[in-house]
Amino acid sequence: NAGVTQTPKFQVLKTGQSMTLQCAQDMNHEYMSWYRQDPGMGLRLIHYSVGAGITDQGEVPNGYNVSRSTTEDFPLRLLSAAPSQTSVYFCASSYSLRTGKTYEQYFGPGTRLTVT
Amino acid sequence: AQTVTQSQPEMSVQEAETVTLSCTYDTSESDYYLFWYKQPPSRQMILVIRQEAYKQQNATENRFSVNFQKAAKSFSLKISDSQLGDAAMYFCAYRKGFSGNTPLVFGKGTRLSVIA
Repeated sequence: NAGVTQTPKFQVLKTGQSMTLQCAQDMNHEYMSWYRQDPGMGLRLIHYSVGAGITDQGEVPNGYNVSRSTTEDFPLRLLSAAPSQTSVYFCASSYSLRTGKTYEQYFGPGTRLTVT
Repeated sequence: AQTVTQSQPEMSVQEAETVTLSCTYDTSESDYYLFWYKQPPSRQMILVIRQEAYKQQNATENRFSVNFQKAAKSFSLKISDSQLGDAAMYFCAYRKGFSGNTPLVFGKGTRLSVIA
């Protein structure tokens, strides 16, 4: 298993540009989520999904869109990038009916995004 | 809403000594998990230890142990025989319920330095 993969690892955007951060997992996990990490702020939840076709907002959803058309993929879209969205973004997944392990949350390697 | 507080932004410890990182949380739920994650400079999030709320016995993983005080809503991490590789950001996290389908709530983190 590749686990949780994220692309790209680094990205620089200009203010107003849009882009999609990709997240995929091959563990058949039902639950997936996106966090952003800023210095001194810990990890804050942006959006999450409990299964294909189901998404919900987290603590800091403004400026971001998500969709979950398959179990494997959970892309995060920045609609019009702003300097305040400069951050490190983590995707995570958990909950497998097959293994029965409900506590483990697997994290991707992160994407460092800079908006100028 | 649940909150997690880490009151020590930075800590340092001499190699081979013991250090304790503090964490308090606020919740009205009875079923939940608590976690400590380690984030080294590589940025990867690594699960160090977990505690189920219904277990009275404190969790232990090799040199890492917790002091879980449910009534006080306190969850501290003790690292014994500290090693240079323990230097990292440490995040305390809370997860409601045992279904695996709920978000993690993170504290702001404690940066641990290990002095040779």
